[in-house]
Amino acid sequence: NAGVMQNPRHLVRRRGQEARLRCSPMKGHSHVYWYRQLPEEGLKFMVYLQKENIIDESGMPKERFSAEFPKEGPSILRIQQVVRGDSAAYFCASSPPTRDTQYFGPGTRLTVL
Amino acid sequence: GIQVEQSPPDLILQEGANSTLRCNFSDSVNNLQWFHQNPWGQLINLFYIPSGTKQNGRLSATTVATERYSLLYISSSQTTDSGVYFCAVEAGGGNKLTFGTGTQLKVEL
Repeated sequence: NAGVMQNPRHLVRRRGQEARLRCSPMKGHSHVYWYRQLPEEGLKFMVYLQKENIIDESGMPKERFSAEFPKEGPSILRIQQVVRGDSAAYFCASSPPTRDTQYFGPGTRLTVL
Repeated sequence: GIQVEQSPPDLILQEGANSTLRCNFSDSVNNLQWFHQNPWGQLINLFYIPSGTKQNGRLSATTVATERYSLLYISSSQTTDSGVYFCAVEAGGGNKLTFGTGTQLKVEL
């Protein structure tokens, strides 16, 4: 039973480029969450999605960030026109329909030059 | 929103020692999880424990929901236990986890 998968594991972008982070939840999990860990800080919630629906995006920056979880395929976190302050580790988590335990992926480490 | 405080912030142990990490939270919770972030940055699930006591090998956890705290016990610590331990809670039915600031643990030979 494969765990939560994220790719790429490391991503380097120059200022102004777009970053796309992908997350495949565990089999049977229909709830996906994205969290961000800035350097030397704890993890902060960004967005909670179910298939084709954004349930809670209260932690998403108002501009440049978007997320989706289509009917088919992985969840995508998109960051447009990246800036140096976007450099962080981005973690995806998934939970089963019971919505209790969240299981985390290995993270994508984004570096903006 | 809910506040989550962890103590101590840093801890250095000799291999074989025992330790207790504490997590205090400011409101009633529906979910509480403990995680270990290893030196490679991966987040490992330790416990889902909104109340009661659980044990898994050398680790055990207790949550006293009425008093709004949880404890993580590590016995006979090993160097592989090094890393950051996070407590995370969910309150209000929204499913989002609020993380504490973590306890940085270093186990030395």
